Amino acid sequence: SAVISQKPSRDICQRGTSLTIQCQVDSQVTMMFWYRQQPGQSLTLIATANQGSEATYESGFVIDKFPISRPNLTFSTLTVSNMSPEDSSIYLCSTTGGSGANVLTFGAGSRLTVL
Amino acid sequence: GENVEQHPSTLSVQEGDSAVIKCTYSDSASNYFPWYKQELGKGPQLIIDIRSNVGEKKDQRIAVTLNKTAKHFSLHITETQPEDSAVYFCAANPPSSNTGKLIFGQGTTLQVKP
Repeated sequence: SAVISQKPSRDICQRGTSLTIQCQVDSQVTMMFWYRQQPGQSLTLIATANQGSEATYESGFVIDKFPISRPNLTFSTLTVSNMSPEDSSIYLCSTTGGSGANVLTFGAGSRLTVL
Repeated sequence: GENVEQHPSTLSVQEGDSAVIKCTYSDSASNYFPWYKQELGKGPQLIIDIRSNVGEKKDQRIAVTLNKTAKHFSLHITETQPEDSAVYFCAANPPSSNTGKLIFGQGTTLQVKP
């Protein structure tokens, strides 16, 4: 399965600022996904990023708040804009591959704390 | 839409005992049910999965059972070891969704005491 690297692994941010998270995959993949894991909570899909097209956002998530780039088949970025303490979460990059549809591989995540 | 409920939220067992985590799902059209293990500071890692055309799957000390009629599936860990301590998540794929969308349960924190 794909190996996914995320940067930063963690960061402390000030309210009102924006932060961009980078996700690098060691192989070319069609679809990349961004999930959010709020403290002590489960995982929720933010959006799907396909190369060459705009990201598709899930209900409750909007492009202005979480702009996503997908410049090529191995890389994606997620920006968390105008952050508030409620945005404190782990943001996880993932992709499908391996043994079939729906089989997700995750990166280690980026833990953001917003003060 | 699909909803996944997971129980218990925490589970403590003695080393060598078995652990069972249960999940229910709401949409009978879901057909893929993975289990993920998340250790502290790491991303979730797939440990086992099952598709709706089988009722049970086993991989060494880990097994998953699926009851489509009752819409529930369970993770069984036998001969638990301290390194099994982690948060475990079940998930299901919503019907007609893209291939990367999974609905996750709330998670179970498993503690294996030596």
